[in-house]
Amino acid sequence: DAKTTQPPSMDCAEGRAANLPCNHSTISGNEYVYWYRQIHSQGPQYIIHGLKNNETNEMASLIITEDRKSSTLILPHATLRDTAVYYCIVRVDEETSGSRLTFGEGTQLTVNP
Amino acid sequence: DAGVTQSPTHLIKTRGQQVTLRCSPISGHKSVSWYQQVLGQGPQFIFQYYEKEERGRGNFPDRFSARQFPNYSSELNVNALLLGDSALYLCASSFQNHYEQYFGPGTRLTVT
Repeated sequence: DAKTTQPPSMDCAEGRAANLPCNHSTISGNEYVYWYRQIHSQGPQYIIHGLKNNETNEMASLIITEDRKSSTLILPHATLRDTAVYYCIVRVDEETSGSRLTFGEGTQLTVNP
Repeated sequence: DAGVTQSPTHLIKTRGQQVTLRCSPISGHKSVSWYQQVLGQGPQFIFQYYEKEERGRGNFPDRFSARQFPNYSSELNVNALLLGDSALYLCASSFQNHYEQYFGPGTRLTVT
């Protein structure tokens, strides 16, 4: 699986959009971009994933650049409960690849009142 | 719907002992994976089971073993515990072999 690079920490004001970047310059054509987050002492929570098109769900939006070498997770209206470590993971999404997730160090997002 | 459940929530063991951790996946999910998370680090993959067969193994010693039962629940066993095995053990389930995973709350293991 391709390696990802994320800033170690970010701050965001409550109610504003949080934009979390991820660099995955060595991503392969069949690798998806996944985002998970982990609130302190809880299990990671799946947020969203995509291949090359932008994706949106009830939690967030995922913007993937045209060359797929980087992506941005957007939380449109951050709340205090969004304070967490956010992990960007790239992985092959095929039957033979299994479910293995390779977590990096992630970005600690702190939402301030 | 109930999410992934794990038991026990916390436990304390002594070096050299053995421990069994349990996981029940989301109803309908056939794949279970186990991860170890040491304080301050991201989770590290230990095992994946799908349809009761091992489908992946991380870089962990043979002291770690797991199995999946016909009802798709799973157990993780760790023998000859070391202080370094102290960690949060996470279980995740997914509907199919390679779909997105949903994590349980974890079991906090402390080895003294």
